[in-house]
Amino acid sequence: GAVVSQHPSWVICKSGTSVKIECRSLDFQATTMFWYRQFPKQSLMLMATSNEGSKATYEQGVEKDKFLINHASLTLSTLTVTSAHPEDSSFYICSARMTGALANTGELFFGEGSRLTVL
Amino acid sequence: GQSLEQPSEVTAVEGAIVQINCTYQTSGFYGLSWYQQHDGGAPTFLSYNALDGLEETGRFSSFLSRSDSYGYLLLQELQMKDSASYFCAVVYNQGGKLIFGQGTELSVKP
Repeated sequence: GAVVSQHPSWVICKSGTSVKIECRSLDFQATTMFWYRQFPKQSLMLMATSNEGSKATYEQGVEKDKFLINHASLTLSTLTVTSAHPEDSSFYICSARMTGALANTGELFFGEGSRLTVL
Repeated sequence: GQSLEQPSEVTAVEGAIVQINCTYQTSGFYGLSWYQQHDGGAPTFLSYNALDGLEETGRFSSFLSRSDSYGYLLLQELQMKDSASYFCAVVYNQGGKLIFGQGTELSVKP
């Protein structure tokens, strides 16, 4: 099956620093990737839709200057949390959808997630 | 606006059948997906309905009624390993993004 790799799995940083999280589709091309955020025992909240070669589309209430998304190739999207604060501590998960004839519209392939702790 | 509702938790015993309901209110609805997530892990895809009716995949089935804005996930022959959170998610026309419900925590007891 399709594999999405996310790195790093865990990251601890000091308040005020920036953290970059990478999301790679390993065996398929993903023109669109999605970034979600999840607090403990809560749902996955969509932050933004990342489109290869164009600007990301952010959901209402998500600060685009704080959560920088870059989708420079068909297999890589990055999320940078800038000037991180303790309230940014969360589980960040990326996902991608296959395109083409074999794609299932309702199926996203998720990375393993990145747990960010800001001290 | 958009909203999805599903029960917060369900408990059942091994071997039983459980149904997790999901109602939604949204514009741009394209289909309904179901995902399973174990604690600390990545969500995994279970099923998808774009049309009314029942989709069966092994022990799991999913149903959709577009006119009622309602769907459900049916889990049969429950096993201990089925203890997890289950999310319904609306698939949107534009961009095909998925918006997830709050999740249902299923506990399977011996």
